[in-house]
Amino acid sequence: QVQLVESGGGLVQPGGSLRLSCAASGFTLSGFGMHWVRQAPGKGLEWVASIYYDGTKEYYRDSVKGRFTISRDISMNTLSLQMNSLRGDDTAIYYCAKDGIYHGSGSFFSSWGQGTLVTVSS
Amino acid sequence: DIVMTQSPDSLAVSLGERATINCKSSQSVLYSSNNRNYLAWYQQKPGQPPKLLISWASTRESGVPDRFSGSGSGTDFTLTISSLQAEDVAVYYCQQYYSTPLGFTFGQGTKLAIK
Repeated sequence: QVQLVESGGGLVQPGGSLRLSCAASGFTLSGFGMHWVRQAPGKGLEWVASIYYDGTKEYYRDSVKGRFTISRDISMNTLSLQMNSLRGDDTAIYYCAKDGIYHGSGSFFSSWGQGTLVTVSS
Repeated sequence: DIVMTQSPDSLAVSLGERATINCKSSQSVLYSSNNRNYLAWYQQKPGQPPKLLISWASTRESGVPDRFSGSGSGTDFTLTISSLQAEDVAVYYCQQYYSTPLGFTFGQGTKLAIK
């Protein structure tokens, strides 16, 4: 069955960097778009970034453009999120999520990982 | 950006009674070429990631109990739990994917509790 396992979260100072990973199993990343969604403590869900099923396109919310980069390693079946110039309002649980449609352009999020906590604080 | 607004923010319902959560989008999420509403519902229990319940406004995911149903079209949508069970206590979110792939937006969430 589909499994997504995030790692790489932790405490980082403002202006610092962090790289999150999401190990996927039960399916191949080359068939599905993938997403990062975050949730600040006690708050709602916020889409962060997406990558096309074929890796040719990436999309970001405005507040992370130029600071975050989504990527994937097909050989390792792993999704990544490189986060630079981190700010306090980036503090959140970061979830990776699998798109719901095979070879789709982005839709609902059919499977989610357990999340990894990123805390940006001095 | 399409703004999703849920109502109410919180809701308390007795066991076995009906629970209704509303979601309104700032513009239509009905795609005319295929007549499908690009709207999903998720359930998030405390300490857990969200779980997809319904896609395309009314298509229940495999394994989701049939007491959960989705309805609506265009800009107004409803998630109904026909007979509330204790395990349904959670926060429920709607999400639009009409503006894919340029962005996805969620409602602010509705917290459902037992009265």
